[in-house]
Amino acid sequence: SQQGEEDPQALSIQEGENATMNCSYKTSINNLQWYRQNSGRGLVHLILIRSNEREKHSGRLRVTLDTSKKSSSLLITASRAADTASYFCATPGYSTLTFGKGTMLLVSP
Amino acid sequence: ETGVTQSPTHLIKTRGQQVTLRCSSQSGHNTVSWYQQALGQGPQFIFQYYREEENGRGNFPPRFSGLQFPNYSSELNVNALELDDSALYLCASSVGRTGGTEAFFGQGTRLTVV
Repeated sequence: SQQGEEDPQALSIQEGENATMNCSYKTSINNLQWYRQNSGRGLVHLILIRSNEREKHSGRLRVTLDTSKKSSSLLITASRAADTASYFCATPGYSTLTFGKGTMLLVSP
Repeated sequence: ETGVTQSPTHLIKTRGQQVTLRCSSQSGHNTVSWYQQALGQGPQFIFQYYREEENGRGNFPPRFSGLQFPNYSSELNVNALELDDSALYLCASSVGRTGGTEAFFGQGTRLTVV
């Protein structure tokens, strides 16, 4: 079963615009991670936010976490065509990461 | 690019056959996890190996089995292949036996069962 669910399923924007993706999860967590996947290839870790953090930045990425609502958001600012990819949130279990179905982001030049 | 390599990159097998997929973990990592990703879905956890022992298993039948070697590389074996086994198989290496650390993924093996 999928612990995290991303929203929207697909997002299409122009270069320079901001992209926001949301993730909802079901059980308590000690951290939440975001990954990017280009064209059905391997996943690349973007950012990890701990349960005692509310916001974290990495370059053009901003992640928020609201544990009371069991939700997280990923904001990509000033998007580029190279940001075109699928984005997944992942929540940790004992030995696993549980992924949602992802948000497919298309950034047009 | 992570230091995780998978082989082969693509594979076509016939239903009923057996397949072995390989993964070399990143230097310094003692944990390897395997995931199956069907088209349009997120990765689904198959199992994890920590220091050569299975350390957790997802909802996959016993015909999915694995090994981890002393150098922490790993194999995923699938017997009696079914059409639904067609997917991208991803290997991820990490440090430690919990699921809370950053995982480094290989580029995957695309398996097609015909």
